[in-house]
Amino acid sequence: GAVVSQHPSWVICKSGTSVKIECRSLDFQATTMFWYRQFPKQSLMLMATSNEGSKATYEQGVEKDKFLINHASLTLSTLTVTSAHPEDSSFYICSAPDLHGQGRHFGDGTRLSIL
Amino acid sequence: DAKTTQPPSMDCAEGRAANLPCNHSTISGNEYVYWYRQIHSQGPQYIIHGLKNNETNEMASLIITEDRKSSTLILPHATLRDTAVYYCIVRVGSNFGNEKLTFGTGTRLTIIP
Repeated sequence: GAVVSQHPSWVICKSGTSVKIECRSLDFQATTMFWYRQFPKQSLMLMATSNEGSKATYEQGVEKDKFLINHASLTLSTLTVTSAHPEDSSFYICSAPDLHGQGRHFGDGTRLSIL
Repeated sequence: DAKTTQPPSMDCAEGRAANLPCNHSTISGNEYVYWYRQIHSQGPQYIIHGLKNNETNEMASLIITEDRKSSTLILPHATLRDTAVYYCIVRVGSNFGNEKLTFGTGTRLTIIP
């Protein structure tokens, strides 16, 4: 069935590094993708909505210059955490609606650890 | 979207039915009740959704009260793999369109062997 593939599944980087996370929709096209962040023992918090061919929409309090989103094709959205610091360490999850199929699909997340 | 209230945690014996409640007393007439779950270190997984009629699929049953102010997700024969955080979400629309999905704190369900 339709799935969302997220890569990498985990990454450890030094402070100051920029990290790119990819989210791909497999077997379906996604004009919209959603990026969430989840801290330990907390719920998912929506960061931004990625729109194919246009600018992303960021939730209040999320720095758009810090979290760069690119949705260049109907099957790929990327989230780049720029100049990452330890407080950016979190579980990042993407999601895409399958408008012609069943449901809202989620990736398996990327665990980011900044040392 | 209407706010939901769920108990923070529940335990259920393996093989028994797990009944997870959700209160959504401010739900509007055009809002649906959705249930998702998140197994540890994975992305959320869609379970079921409904408007006012009870719904059943291969994973679970959804019972919505007549006044629609609360609902119960039923896992008929819980297994250890059902241990997860379960989220009840209320939002407009029956399709899975481009509207954002907002997660509350959910219920952490632990299945006891």
